[in-house]
Amino acid sequence: SQQGEEDPQALSIQEGENATMNCSYKTSINNLQWYRQNSGRGLVHLILIRSNEREKHSGRLRVTLDTSKKSSSLLITASRAADTASYFCAPGRDDKIIFGKGTRLHILP
Amino acid sequence: GAVVSQHPSRVICKSGTSVKIECRSLDFQATTMFWYRQFPKQSLMLMATSNEGSKATYEQGVEKDKFLINHASLTLSTLTVTSAHPEDSSFYICSARVTGGRAYEQYFGPGTRLTVT
Repeated sequence: SQQGEEDPQALSIQEGENATMNCSYKTSINNLQWYRQNSGRGLVHLILIRSNEREKHSGRLRVTLDTSKKSSSLLITASRAADTASYFCAPGRDDKIIFGKGTRLHILP
Repeated sequence: GAVVSQHPSRVICKSGTSVKIECRSLDFQATTMFWYRQFPKQSLMLMATSNEGSKATYEQGVEKDKFLINHASLTLSTLTVTSAHPEDSSFYICSARVTGGRAYEQYFGPGTRLTVT
């Protein structure tokens, strides 16, 4: 299915450390997006990477995409308390965005 | 730009009553909007795709008679939870796609928390 599957499901790291979360999917895609959701809030779009791109940066975020392995990773460098949230990947091909279960990231003070 | 609002942000209703949730694109037109629901600590589940001027397309397993969707204008879609029950308590999120935009150009609302007592 188009749904992405994030790994790990939960991640706790110390503030200042880097956080890496992964996404795998099964179908061919045109693009892949990452979203953040703070507890009980709406979604915030973080970054979009197209299928012909391998890496993309946005501030402290770095996203990679390996279409041969059907996987993507999101790296957050120098984590902050405000990064505590759930992160979802969204592999894109057609009209719908189907979300996986997400990675719950907790930044420890 | 590209702001989507939802109203209300929180609602509590009694079992058996109906509740209407509005999703508005404030500064763009959206021919297509999407409705999701999310249970605590779970993912967002796509419920239906709402198209302006036509019937909504529901995902498998979603009761169309229970979750009524009306997309009467290019900036407004409504979701009505009919005869609500406690198991309908959830976080409902809409998204709106920019008319003429790419499939991935969707903007999400802040969500509506529904509690059915």
